[in-house]
Amino acid sequence: KAGVTQTPRYLIKTRGQQVTLSCSPISGHRSVSWYQQTPGQGLQFLFEYFSETQRNKGNFPGRFSGRQFSNSRSEMNVSTLELGDSALYLCASSLLAGDPSTDTQYFGPGTRLTVL
Amino acid sequence: AQSVTQLGSHVSVSEGALVLLRCNYSSSVPPYLFWYVQYPNQGLQLLLKYTTGATLVKGINGFEAEFKKSETSFHLTKPSAHMSDAAEYFCAVSVEPGYSTLTFGKGTMLLVSP
Repeated sequence: KAGVTQTPRYLIKTRGQQVTLSCSPISGHRSVSWYQQTPGQGLQFLFEYFSETQRNKGNFPGRFSGRQFSNSRSEMNVSTLELGDSALYLCASSLLAGDPSTDTQYFGPGTRLTVL
Repeated sequence: AQSVTQLGSHVSVSEGALVLLRCNYSSSVPPYLFWYVQYPNQGLQLLLKYTTGATLVKGINGFEAEFKKSETSFHLTKPSAHMSDAAEYFCAVSVEPGYSTLTFGKGTMLLVSP
């Protein structure tokens, strides 16, 4: 069974540009969550999508947005990039069947975004 | 809101020694607790989790953790460290109803020396 895949793995952008990151969940998983990882702030929750609807959102500015498609693939977009947006962006997928004892989040390898 | 505190950003052990990584949480409702490991240039891998039931949880690679409600702790242990255990370890918490949303600690880097 293929794991969570994220593309691209590495990205370099300049301030003011926008970027789109992609995440393909494990087959059958309907929930996709996004996290930002930086040395200073650690791992922070961005948002979660389930069945094409945003279920939950973290404390990030409106420049950060996402969406989920009917095949559960998800994209996140960051507009007007700032230097502080440089981070590893991790995507995680799960079944979200309603039972936390059996439900597990599987993480992708991440996309390393560098903003110059 | 819930939070996680991991004591020690770096822990050094010798190969064969006991590994103890500390995690304390804060939550006003019953928590679900997790330990993840991250190797360089990789995503997070789940080591173990506590949801309900037995408070001593066994995970992969010989790790285990014990949920102690009275101490609000979920420390990770392994009896004998191996060189391959060198990585960064993250403790995380989630609660109902949004149990799929994880709040992470800052992480502890485990260094293993021969």
